[in-house]
Amino acid sequence: GEDVEQSLFLSVREGDSSVINCTYTDSSSTYLYWYKQEPGAGLQLLTYIFSNMDMKQDQRLTVLLNKKDKHLSLRIADTQTGDSAIYFCAESMGGGNKLTFGTGTQLKVEL
Amino acid sequence: NAGVTQTPKFQVLKTGQSMTLQCAQDMNHEYMSWYRQDPGMGLRLIHYSVGAGITDQGEVPNGYNVSRSTTEDFPLRLLSAAPSQTSVYFCATYPTGEPSGNTIYFGEGSWLTVV
Repeated sequence: GEDVEQSLFLSVREGDSSVINCTYTDSSSTYLYWYKQEPGAGLQLLTYIFSNMDMKQDQRLTVLLNKKDKHLSLRIADTQTGDSAIYFCAESMGGGNKLTFGTGTQLKVEL
Repeated sequence: NAGVTQTPKFQVLKTGQSMTLQCAQDMNHEYMSWYRQDPGMGLRLIHYSVGAGITDQGEVPNGYNVSRSTTEDFPLRLLSAAPSQTSVYFCATYPTGEPSGNTIYFGEGSWLTVV
């Protein structure tokens, strides 16, 4: 989606941390999401954050939200080969019934 | 994904053929939508419905038709398939109102190739 931007590729070594970034433009977004898509599979909700929060942690995943800069990031600690996938950020629009997705970031985990 | 069923999972069509992608849900969700996924472009909204009898266009509606005669079903019709419609299609549902938290459900996806 043109309103939500992500870098297309990220390559990390197994065991390192991965940080996937996303910028959005709609300041009225109320929820922001991270989805994972493995090859040939559907979308798996990883985590989400409400817009009045600035951080959420869930096991190896940490989401940071900078509302001033409209920047969202997903940090994956101790990245494993099973984390190789495409990661999408998405926002739900205030007052609307739509999700807007980013372009997706392909994460490649190398041994 | 429990509650949202998409069929078929894979389909190959010839240019000019028509077909319908099916989406069915048993969660009594008012809101249903169709997205297409293309490399480097993320998911883009095709059509959506906020309840039975109500449909509206999304970002990329051309070449697609929808109807919502029941709460449970939201079929997506390709009237005359074109190679540009080769894509992965996802159906999504959630309760009335703004999608919030983990209340959004996606189907497993339908891989469509138009030759």
